[in-house]
Amino acid sequence: NAGVTQTPKFRILKIGQSMTLQCTQDMNHNYMYWYRQDPGMGLKLIYYSVGAGITDKGEVPNGYNVSRSTTEDFPLRLELAAPSQTSVYFCASSQPDREAGELFFGEGSRLTVL
Amino acid sequence: AQSVAQPEDQVNVAEGNPLTVKCTYSVSGNPYLFWYVQYPNRGLQFLLKYITGDNLVKGSYGFEAEFNKSQTSFHLKKPSALVSDSALYFCAVSPDSSASKIIFGSGTRLSIRP
Repeated sequence: NAGVTQTPKFRILKIGQSMTLQCTQDMNHNYMYWYRQDPGMGLKLIYYSVGAGITDKGEVPNGYNVSRSTTEDFPLRLELAAPSQTSVYFCASSQPDREAGELFFGEGSRLTVL
Repeated sequence: AQSVAQPEDQVNVAEGNPLTVKCTYSVSGNPYLFWYVQYPNRGLQFLLKYITGDNLVKGSYGFEAEFNKSQTSFHLKKPSALVSDSALYFCAVSPDSSASKIIFGSGTRLSIRP
């Protein structure tokens, strides 16, 4: 049982490059989330999804895009990387109703933009 | 808009003493409140949540939290701290029971000295 899997774990990008952070979960969770964690700033919600085909903006969506074509996958795309996007990115999933709010997190993806 | 504040960047406690990590929130309507813990280089782990009912909720690893509506607070507590409790703790809030959009605080680093 893998839970939430993120790839890559580490990546260095040059300014202006693009990339996709992959996230997949095997728990059949409806809800999925992308957060970024900057030192001393806690977690900021980038995008979230309540099901396949449905996505919505969080606190800091600018510079990012997401898609949710399947229940399992929730990739995060950076189109034009900027130094301000240097951060640790966490994907998470959860199930509504009785387990609402009990997020399962991936191990994180550390991105550096130079 | 919902928000959550953790007024202390760091809390230092001697092993065996009680600990409290503070959290205050702002949300319209009834809040749904959560505590998470993060160990070094790992994703966050769910500790406990308040949805409704008893103001004192119990969670994992002997932690509990007290919901206080008049003070809009949800402080995390433990009667007797362990060195292994040393970690980063996050309070989080959702404005509704679906918990589809969860906003985190900036985190409090808990350090337990032997």
